[in-house]
Amino acid sequence: DAGVTQSPTHLIKTRGQQVTLRCSPISGHKSVSWYQQVLGQGPQFIFQYYEKEERGRGNFPDRFSARQFPNYSSELNVNALLLGDSALYLCASSLEGTISDEQFFGPGTRLTVL
Amino acid sequence: GEDVEQSLFLSVREGDSSVINCTYTDSSSTYLYWYKQEPGAGLQLLTYIFSNMDMKQDQRLTVLLNKKDKHLSLRIADTQTGDSAIYFCAELPYNQGGKLIFGQGTELSVKP
Repeated sequence: DAGVTQSPTHLIKTRGQQVTLRCSPISGHKSVSWYQQVLGQGPQFIFQYYEKEERGRGNFPDRFSARQFPNYSSELNVNALLLGDSALYLCASSLEGTISDEQFFGPGTRLTVL
Repeated sequence: GEDVEQSLFLSVREGDSSVINCTYTDSSSTYLYWYKQEPGAGLQLLTYIFSNMDMKQDQRLTVLLNKKDKHLSLRIADTQTGDSAIYFCAELPYNQGGKLIFGQGTELSVKP
């Protein structure tokens, strides 16, 4: 079975541009979470979605938004990119997003903002 | 507040034991995790411990939890060069759904 997949693998953008990152969860998983990992730091929680509804949001500006589709895949959008948005963006999926569900991480999308 | 702290670096010789330490802040945390990240890769769950346990052993890995001091440790027995990676401690607070709170990671270097 395929694990969590993310696309693209790498992305280079310039300041002010907009970016969309995509995530496909493990088959049967209904919850997707997004994390930002800046170089040299641990991942920081951005969003959690379950059944297309936002269940949780981290301390990120409104430039960050996400959505989940009926097939449970998800997109993370970042507008008006800043240099500080350069990071590895990780997607994790779980069965129902509860505290007892293990989260499985994808390989991430490396975003570079120039 | 939310803060998980780890020492940044650890260097050991192949065959020795490695101990990576972590302190967390949220006493409501139900699960505590150890993840491994190799260069250019995502996160791999190594092991976890439920908050009502003191110890968990899984092959070469031993997790110790001291709830009173909010201290978590990961011991890797017979450390191999393939264990070289960054290790993250993470807590899962009870009232925040699936939001994992990670430490900044400990870079483990295993020398032959």
